[in-house]
Amino acid sequence: ETGVTQSPTHLIKTRGQQVTLRCSSQSGHNTVSWYQQALGQGPQFIFQYYREEENGRGNFPPRFSGLQFPNYSSELNVNALELDDSALYLCASAPGLALGAQETQYFGPGTRLLVL
Amino acid sequence: EDQVTQSPEALRLQEGESSSLNCSYTVSGLRGLFWYRQDPGKGPEFLFTLYSAGEEKEKERLKATLTKKESFLHITAPKPEDSATYLCAVRREFYFGTGTSLTVIP
Repeated sequence: ETGVTQSPTHLIKTRGQQVTLRCSSQSGHNTVSWYQQALGQGPQFIFQYYREEENGRGNFPPRFSGLQFPNYSSELNVNALELDDSALYLCASAPGLALGAQETQYFGPGTRLLVL
Repeated sequence: EDQVTQSPEALRLQEGESSSLNCSYTVSGLRGLFWYRQDPGKGPEFLFTLYSAGEEKEKERLKATLTKKESFLHITAPKPEDSATYLCAVRREFYFGTGTSLTVIP
């Protein structure tokens, strides 16, 4: 069974640029969530996708957007990067039901983004 | 608003010195409390899910318990390889605490 994978592992961008991060969910999982983790903090929920539809969103501005594909892989896009966007971006997948169900999420290794 | 508070923020233990980490939560209708272990620069690794007060789960030197207000992660006779940040989270969209950084000194 393949776990959650993310790419790239590290990324350096400059302020104002755009970035796309990618995530492949664990086999059999149709729900993907994205989190932002600043240094020394717990992960903060960005949004979740279930069967290609956004299924819940945290307190992040619209310049954070995402997609989920028919194979349940996902992308996180961030436009107009700001210095505070520097963080570890984590993707997690779950077997999938609507938001609120009791399921365990399994995390990928993350993408470390540095905005200069 | 759902909240998760973990304590202590950091804990240093001698190898073999047992202790407990605390996760206090306020959430409307708990749908699961989750414990994860995170090594520096890595994604969180799943440890346990607890659903109802009184439930307990064990894995090697770790034991997680749940009450109506808090969860404890008990570490028995820890080893240096148990050093990590331990995160708890509640609900489906996972409101995480800030974690407890555990260092076990050989």
